[in-house]
Amino acid sequence: SQQGEEDPQALSIQEGENATMNCSYKTSINNLQWYRQNSGRGLVHLILIRSNEREKHSGRLRVTLDTSKKSSSLLITASRAADTASYFCATDAGGSNYKLTFGKGTLLTVNP
Amino acid sequence: GAVVSQHPSWVICKSGTSVKIECRSLDFQATTMFWYRQFPKQSLMLMATSNEGSKATYEQGVEKDKFLINHASLTLSTLTVTSAHPEDSSFYICSASGRNYFGPGTRLTVL
Repeated sequence: SQQGEEDPQALSIQEGENATMNCSYKTSINNLQWYRQNSGRGLVHLILIRSNEREKHSGRLRVTLDTSKKSSSLLITASRAADTASYFCATDAGGSNYKLTFGKGTLLTVNP
Repeated sequence: GAVVSQHPSWVICKSGTSVKIECRSLDFQATTMFWYRQFPKQSLMLMATSNEGSKATYEQGVEKDKFLINHASLTLSTLTVTSAHPEDSSFYICSASGRNYFGPGTRLTVL
């Protein structure tokens, strides 16, 4: 079932601006991950944040996790045209397998 | 790093035919693989969990007799779309055991 809800569904910004995408989920999680998908292509893993972590950085990416609100945000700083893609959050409940529940995604367009 | 491959990357078939998609883990063994489906402009939806040496576990609403899954070895899972129809046209993506290991996807178009 679809657990995550991304907000906004679509975001258009100018190159150099920051982009913030939010994700909410409904049930308890073990980890939350963010993925990028260029049109018609496979998934690129961006970052994983564990349920006991509140913030994580990777290059121009910053992810926050608020388990009390069951929400996460992905911030891309100093965006580039190449960042244009769909971004999905995905959660897993832990255990011995890694079945992921994906959010609906945010389509980010970075205009040059 | 770990690599998961899928074959074919795209396929076009006639309505009523069956199509087999392979998912391989190239440098590690995967006791569990997952099959996802993504319709245009939508998110990924888990279809089934493929378990090596045992029956697959299907998500609610996914017909197990239509989407046959075989996980005969620790490096290969196959998804066969039987009697494909245009509504089965989608992007099928597999992942293997680890949370980050996704295949590149297979685009199926049923005419």
